[in-house]
Amino acid sequence: EVQLVESGGGLVQRGGSLRLSCAASGFTFSTYWMSWVRQAPGKGLEWVANIKQDGSQKNYVDSVKGRFTISRDNAKNSLYLQMDSLRAEDTAVYYCAREGSAWNFDPWGQGTLVTVSS
Amino acid sequence: QSALTQPASVSGSPGQSITISCTGTSSDVGDYNYVSWYQHHPGKAPKLMIYGVNIRPSGVSNRFSGSKSGNTASLTISGLQVEDEADYFCCSYTRSSTLNWVFGGGTKLTVL
Repeated sequence: EVQLVESGGGLVQRGGSLRLSCAASGFTFSTYWMSWVRQAPGKGLEWVANIKQDGSQKNYVDSVKGRFTISRDNAKNSLYLQMDSLRAEDTAVYYCAREGSAWNFDPWGQGTLVTVSS
Repeated sequence: QSALTQPASVSGSPGQSITISCTGTSSDVGDYNYVSWYQHHPGKAPKLMIYGVNIRPSGVSNRFSGSKSGNTASLTISGLQVEDEADYFCCSYTRSSTLNWVFGGGTKLTVL
């Protein structure tokens, strides 16, 4: 079964750091682009960042550039999101998702909640 | 404010059909056939329902269909069932210089 499982969310103070992890199973992780997508309370989904199969290309939404770093370890079938200088507006459920070859996100994990307190 | 515009809510009775719109711009929905739709039950992982504007993944009911006209994409659900009640999000690739993907704000479907 193709599966993604996020972990690492929690409560952190403004200006603090958190590292999210996403464990992949059931597919050849190293052959796919991977993304992080978030949903703030009461809001829609927002794409945050993605990373190429070999980690050589990374893209970020403007609001997290310079603060968040996406990375991956293909040997461990894992995706990461290092979040620094956290702001209240970063409070959200963070999902990892596989970018399919047909320009979609499938599957998704169940998400991990990040709460930034002010 | 989300990049793609969806109605906040729609409703229908079992057996009826509903359509959810998703309006973007000529830089995303209007320029690419890379529109996808996701069903999201709170607390669960979002599920891909439609990709490439109108392609259903294996296992998704043929009651779900997608279309696009200009800058607006649509998701139609026919023969509504109680289990269809969920949030639905659209998504499109974008040639914006600041991000790769844009999502809609989501539509809450209520099956009365």
